[in-house]
Amino acid sequence: ILNVEQSPQSLHVQEGDSTNFTCSFPSSNFYALHWYRWETAKSPEALFVMTLNGDEKKKGRISATLNTKEGYSYLYIKGSQPEDSATYLCAFGNKLTFGTGTQLKVEL
Amino acid sequence: DAGVTQSPTHLIKTRGQQVTLRCSPKSGHDTVSWYQQALGQGPQFIFQYYEEEERQRGNFPDRFSGHQFPNYSSELNVNALLLGDSALYLCASSSAHNEQYFGPGTRLTVT
Repeated sequence: ILNVEQSPQSLHVQEGDSTNFTCSFPSSNFYALHWYRWETAKSPEALFVMTLNGDEKKKGRISATLNTKEGYSYLYIKGSQPEDSATYLCAFGNKLTFGTGTQLKVEL
Repeated sequence: DAGVTQSPTHLIKTRGQQVTLRCSPKSGHDTVSWYQQALGQGPQFIFQYYEEEERQRGNFPDRFSGHQFPNYSSELNVNALLLGDSALYLCASSSAHNEQYFGPGTRLTVT
């Protein structure tokens, strides 16, 4: 059974704060690491697919890094906005083994 | 492009009944995966269909079965429903081994 863990479980930040959270996964037999953003009452939205050790990806104010040797990925949000409030999920492998997510709330 | 669509959006069933959930993939996608998300958990992989065959399967009992049609749409069937089957069922489509696009889900409640 693959163990994908995310921390923290939830996070409250103020508008304008930068924040980051962690996804840890098995470091052996790496295939790919996915990040999704899931807003309430919407479909999970793909943010990044990361496949190579040392990968860094960026989309606007959101970026992610990948370390396959030690089995972790970080997601960073710069200058958080209320619309960033969502659950951020990481998923490992081809069959997408998901973590339980980090619930981010950005307050005015 | 309608994206991934699922029906119905909500469903209430009684223990022991059977249920069928439906998914239409995003245009151009030929692979459909199904996930179950119970309260407080991340989505759990049920199975994946490609070329009308089950290609991969997660740790779910045989009560969970599926089908993929020639137009790539898919059904998830659950027999002999248990209270613990209450969850959000997500469908995701993809092409080859590219990223998966999710539908809005079907909320199943078993009473």
